[in-house]
Amino acid sequence: DTAVSQTPKYLVTQMGNDKSIKCEQNLGHDTMYWYKQDSKKFLKIMFSYNNKELIINETVPNRFSPKSPDKAHLNLHINSLELGDSAVYFCASSQGPGNQPQHFGDGTRLSIL
Amino acid sequence: KQEVTQIPAALSVPEGENLVLNCSFTDSAIYNLQWFRQDPGKGLTSLLLIQSSQREQTSGRLNASLDKSSGRSTLYIAASQPGDSATYLCAVRRLGGGADGLTFGKGTHLIIQP
Repeated sequence: DTAVSQTPKYLVTQMGNDKSIKCEQNLGHDTMYWYKQDSKKFLKIMFSYNNKELIINETVPNRFSPKSPDKAHLNLHINSLELGDSAVYFCASSQGPGNQPQHFGDGTRLSIL
Repeated sequence: KQEVTQIPAALSVPEGENLVLNCSFTDSAIYNLQWFRQDPGKGLTSLLLIQSSQREQTSGRLNASLDKSSGRSTLYIAASQPGDSATYLCAVRRLGGGADGLTFGKGTHLIIQP
C-alpha cells in the first residue's frame, strides 16, 4: 500500500492555465506538507497544514493555494501558471508536533510550455 | 533563518569503501534531523531520523550522528555498494509551535563504482 500518493505523476500544460495536484495519505497523520524541488534539485517547503493551522512559506506566490477536503488529503491548486513554476512538487505527511519523521510521495513533475 | 549545508556536493568512490557524508545547520533549535535518499526521478526515502536529544542512529550499514551544539551531522555508509548510488539529503525540523516543514540541504550526489 502506498503511504503518500500523488496524482498525476506528470503534468504538462500551457502558461496561464489553472491546475491542481492531488495528495492523499493513508497513514492517519495529522499534518501534511507541500514541497517544491527546482531544476537544481533544491527542495523547499511551500506549505504545512494540520487541522489547526496553515503555515505558508513567505516566498510562495499567492497563485498557489492548498486545499484540504479532509484530514487525509491536501491538494495543491495553482492559478495562472508561469514558466518558473516548472518543478517537481512533493507532498509529505507526519504525525504529531514535530518529532516524528515525514513521509514523502513520489512527486509530480510539472512542465509549463 | 535556518540554513543547511551538505559537503561534498558530489562523491564517487569504488565499491566496498566506507564513506562519510557531512551536514551542517546554522540554528541548533531543532526537533530532529532526518537523512533521506533520492533516486533519479523518484521520491524521497527516509533513511534515519535522529531526535535532538539523541547522538546517533543506526540502520544496517548506515549510521547517522548528531552534534546539535555544533550544528553538525554525519551519515556513515559502511561497505558501500553500487545500489547505494543516489542523492543523499539532510533535513532539519525546527523547534516551535504549529505545523512546520523541513529545511533541506542541497544534497550529496553519491556514485559507487562497481
